[in-house]
Amino acid sequence: DIQMTQSPSSLSASVGDRVTITCQASQDISNYLNWYQQKPGKAPKLLIYDASNLETGVPSRFSGSGSGTDFTFTISSLQPEDIATYYCQQYDNLLSLTFGGGTKVEIK
Amino acid sequence: QITLKESGPTLVKPTQTLTLTCTFSGFSLSTSGVGVGWIRQPPGKALEWLALIYWNDDKRYSPSLKSRLTITKDTSKNQVVLTMTNMDPVDTATYYCAHQRAAAGSFDYWGQGTLVTVSS
Repeated sequence: DIQMTQSPSSLSASVGDRVTITCQASQDISNYLNWYQQKPGKAPKLLIYDASNLETGVPSRFSGSGSGTDFTFTISSLQPEDIATYYCQQYDNLLSLTFGGGTKVEIK
Repeated sequence: QITLKESGPTLVKPTQTLTLTCTFSGFSLSTSGVGVGWIRQPPGKALEWLALIYWNDDKRYSPSLKSRLTITKDTSKNQVVLTMTNMDPVDTATYYCAHQRAAAGSFDYWGQGTLVTVSS
């Protein structure tokens, strides 16, 4: 199984701050990496697919980068509505999928 | 537009078998490349992928739960069914079904989720 290590598990930042979350795969997954946002009591929402592609309708302050084993998710300017838990998810040639442990983002 | 909705029991007893149904609209599971997956989330914990079924009836399962899971589809009814055997209190979770776009590993549409509690 491919394991996904996401860090940090939580963070607190001020409105307008740049926020960065990392996800590390236990083996090379090319760019098979997606990012989701989940607000309390809601289903996850796809933000970034294939490591760096912004899903339609998602604000441009969200971005993703990386390939191989190391990936980064960035919010360029944190907004109050971005308070949520963020998850990475890998898909290894569609044979199996794994989610990261999540990062809870709060406002300082 | 694409919508999905999960249905099934809210409470099951330990050792029982759970059967969940995902009823969807806005797409066909006979369209090449499309898939429907199941993901669960225990209260306060992370997401966990369970199973996937593709348009061609190809199926994928979480290795850690494979022996307990079965996923099937009824294309004519626009439904996907997940069964999980030998339920345990640790299986208490919100269970989601989600649409996987063709030739991609991302879930772009999700159901609202259904909370299943395992308790005697």
